[in-house]
Formats: sequence, structure tokens, C-alpha cells
Amino acid sequence: SQQGEEDPQALSIQEGENATMNCSYKTSINNLQWYRQNSGRGLVHLILIRSNEREKHSGRLRVTLDTSKKSSSLLITASRAADTASYFCASYSLSGANSKLTFGKGITLSVRP
Amino acid sequence: DAGVIQSPRHEVTEMGQEVTLRCKPISGHDYLFWYRQTMMRGLELLIYFNNNVPIDDSGMPEDRFSAKMPNASFSTLKIQPSEPRDSAVYFCASSLRGATYSNQPQHFGDGTRLSIL
Repeated sequence: SQQGEEDPQALSIQEGENATMNCSYKTSINNLQWYRQNSGRGLVHLILIRSNEREKHSGRLRVTLDTSKKSSSLLITASRAADTASYFCASYSLSGANSKLTFGKGITLSVRP
Repeated sequence: DAGVIQSPRHEVTEMGQEVTLRCKPISGHDYLFWYRQTMMRGLELLIYFNNNVPIDDSGMPEDRFSAKMPNASFSTLKIQPSEPRDSAVYFCASSLRGATYSNQPQHFGDGTRLSIL
């Protein structure tokens, strides 16, 4: 399995509802990041949470990190149609010379107006 | 501020041809990354540079792939000869210098959609 696997793979909700997306990883990490990708565009950084942090907020985004379970969640509150996109978690693992940011395959979020 | 600029946005070429993808990172960024995105394999890091020097090219799939960064404002990814299985979206990203690049967000270009026939 890949580092940084998201769950579910696809999520469809009504505008105004909250969206929760989960990510799991396998090795020790320095930090975990979430990115958004709109169709046909590049990834856009949303938020970074360090391994010594448990929760972080940015606007309507809330990210949690549980290093004991090697998991993270991204909550988008009061979703909007414009939140429709793919969301990726990316974990930075500590492995010496080969340390690198590894992306999951993403979650497709559809917000129905 | 201008973001990461990639060209071309789309490339369609025949198998065996040489393909060159171009990237202009954000001014002042010290790190530059090349990624490949496919449905099957997701987003894969191919190579990254720090201050124009290649640091890790372990993701480059084969000798047919090569990347250069002749100066701080330009990088190329070349495939020669190209094969149909190289079809993918190729992204370039850049980030600021930190203690390591890991604590800095990466800024992505909009990618080059490559189709090899």
C-alpha cells in the first residue's frame, strides 16, 4: 500500500453539509500536508500539520493528526459547490537521504448545489 | 505574483519522438520538483533540485528520462525516445528553502498533459 492513503475514494454531499476525509500513512512522519486539485489544474496547498501538533484550523478547514494511529483527517465545514475538487494528503517521512513528500491517490469530493 | 509556469499545456506526439517539457519556478524558490500523475499510480515524484543541483532522481523511471536545471528560473524534463506508457500529466512544483523542504508548501504549475500515440 502507498504512504498517504485517503478514504473514502469519492464523496458526494449537499452544499452546506460538512465533508470529512481521512488519510492513513505507514511510517514515521515529520509533517502531513493536504492539497486540493481542481479539474485540469495543479495542486494547491491547503494546510500543513507537524508531527507534534494534534489539530490545526484554517478558515473552514480543520485538520487533525493522530500519530499513534498514523492517521489524519480533513474536515471542510459548511461546504460550497466551489469546494468540488480532488483532495490529497501528502506525508513527509523521515528516511534519511530518501526522505520525500509522498502523495496519496486522492479523494474526489462533489458538492451538489 | 506569477505562479509556476509550465509549457506546453498539452503535447501530442508519436512514439519514438523526443519530448521536452519546460518549467519556470516562482522567483526566489530554492527547490524545484518534477512529478508525474496517472490514474493508476497517482502522483509520483520523479526528481527534485535544490539550488539548481539534482538531489534525488530515484523516481526517474528509465534512462529515457532526463532533467536539467541550468539556472534558478528554468528547468526541463526530457523524454527520449517517448513511449505510449509515458502518457500522463507532468507537474512542476517549487518551494522556498526551509530547514528541509518538507516544512514548506509546494506550489504547483498547471501541468503538461502528454499523450504519446
